[in-house]
Amino acid sequence: AQTVTQSQPEMSVQEAETVTLSCTYDTSESNYYLFWYKQPPSRQMILVIRQEAYKQQNATENRFSVNFQKAAKSFSLKISDSQLGDTAMYFCAFRPDANAGGTSYGKLTFGQGTILTVHP
Amino acid sequence: GAGVSQSPRYKVAKRGQDVALRCDPISGHVSLFWYQQALGQGPEFLTYFQNEAQLDKSGLPSDRFFAERPEGSVSTLKIQRTQQEDSAVYLCASSPRLAGGRETQYFGPGTRLLVL
Repeated sequence: AQTVTQSQPEMSVQEAETVTLSCTYDTSESNYYLFWYKQPPSRQMILVIRQEAYKQQNATENRFSVNFQKAAKSFSLKISDSQLGDTAMYFCAFRPDANAGGTSYGKLTFGQGTILTVHP
Repeated sequence: GAGVSQSPRYKVAKRGQDVALRCDPISGHVSLFWYQQALGQGPEFLTYFQNEAQLDKSGLPSDRFFAERPEGSVSTLKIQRTQQEDSAVYLCASSPRLAGGRETQYFGPGTRLLVL
């Protein structure tokens, strides 16, 4: 079974500054995917960024980037130039590679979440 | 195009009442997931459909929970004899193809269930 741990229940940052959200995970799988999802107060979960475990290069999406340390099983999210609209709950999530066999069927395992508040 | 929709958005039930929660996935999406999200927690997997086939129901917490997707599109999550511990947000997610690889899961807004 997989576990995902987010050790920061709440974080805050000033607008235009940079913030890093932490995530660690535990798995015996060799092929998997990691995700960061954003859940604004309206509650619709939105994908922020995705990382394939077999890729050494860290994923980036505009102001969002990750620091993926496979050996340490760490997957942090860096948000640069923070904006007020970034205020939300952020979830780290793990998914085994269902194409590698097994019966996981692509279900996501989520961490407990980090509430990020961006202050003007 | 339209995203994943769920109804009702809010449901208040008396303990012991049966409830039915509906999910309309994005048209043509093969995979459909249900998750349960307790207050202040991350979502937890309940069940998975590939078209009309329920391939994984390992996350359903008890036999009071039942899900179906009879025509491979709309899905209904039914909870019988609701208990207070069933109070949560129920999220539905769909993805275009088989739920492996790089597939993105698109989430609905959720149904907030409160059992009194």
